[in-house]
Amino acid sequence: NAGVMQNPRHLVRRRGQEARLRCSPMKGHSHVYWYRQLPEEGLKFMVYLQKENIIDESGMPKERFSAEFPKEGPSILRIQQVVRGDSAAYFCASSPGTWRTEAFFGQGTRLTVV
Amino acid sequence: GENVEQHPSTLSVQEGDSAVIKCTYSDSASNYFPWYKQELGKGPQLIIDIRSNVGEKKDQRIAVTLNKTAKHFSLHITETQPEDSAVYFCADISNFGNEKLTFGTGTRLTIIP
Repeated sequence: NAGVMQNPRHLVRRRGQEARLRCSPMKGHSHVYWYRQLPEEGLKFMVYLQKENIIDESGMPKERFSAEFPKEGPSILRIQQVVRGDSAAYFCASSPGTWRTEAFFGQGTRLTVV
Repeated sequence: GENVEQHPSTLSVQEGDSAVIKCTYSDSASNYFPWYKQELGKGPQLIIDIRSNVGEKKDQRIAVTLNKTAKHFSLHITETQPEDSAVYFCADISNFGNEKLTFGTGTRLTIIP
């Protein structure tokens, strides 16, 4: 049973380009969470999704950021018109239910905006 | 949860000694408290968790204690080994609604051989 798979592991984008980060949850997991980690800082919640539904996006910036978790395929975090401040590690976690059942994190995508 | 404070931010311990990391939380509705270990270049890994109806939980060299009255919980690592060197994060979840983890700011633990 493969773990949570995130790709790419490293992504370099120029200012103004779009970044698409993918997260394939563990088999049987229908809950996905995205977190952002700035260098030397903790993880900040961005969005919580279930299949085809956004449950909580209170941590998502209002502009340029969007997330989806379609019925088929991975969850996607999209950042449009990236700026230098978007440079960070983005982690995805998945769980079969709520956090009260163990959730697993992926290895993260490190986005660098140049 | 609303806010989780974690101390210390860095901790150096001689190999074989114990390490203690402390967290305080503000949301009285919090009822689930996991601890994550993050090694360089990797994602956080759950190492132990505790629920609000329990005061202490132990798993080999790792233990967590919870004081709901004082709203603080601690991670204890005994007989530390070089592979324990990593960044450790505490977190909490409120009982109500949102299910999202609120993380502390992390503790960089270095085990000195």
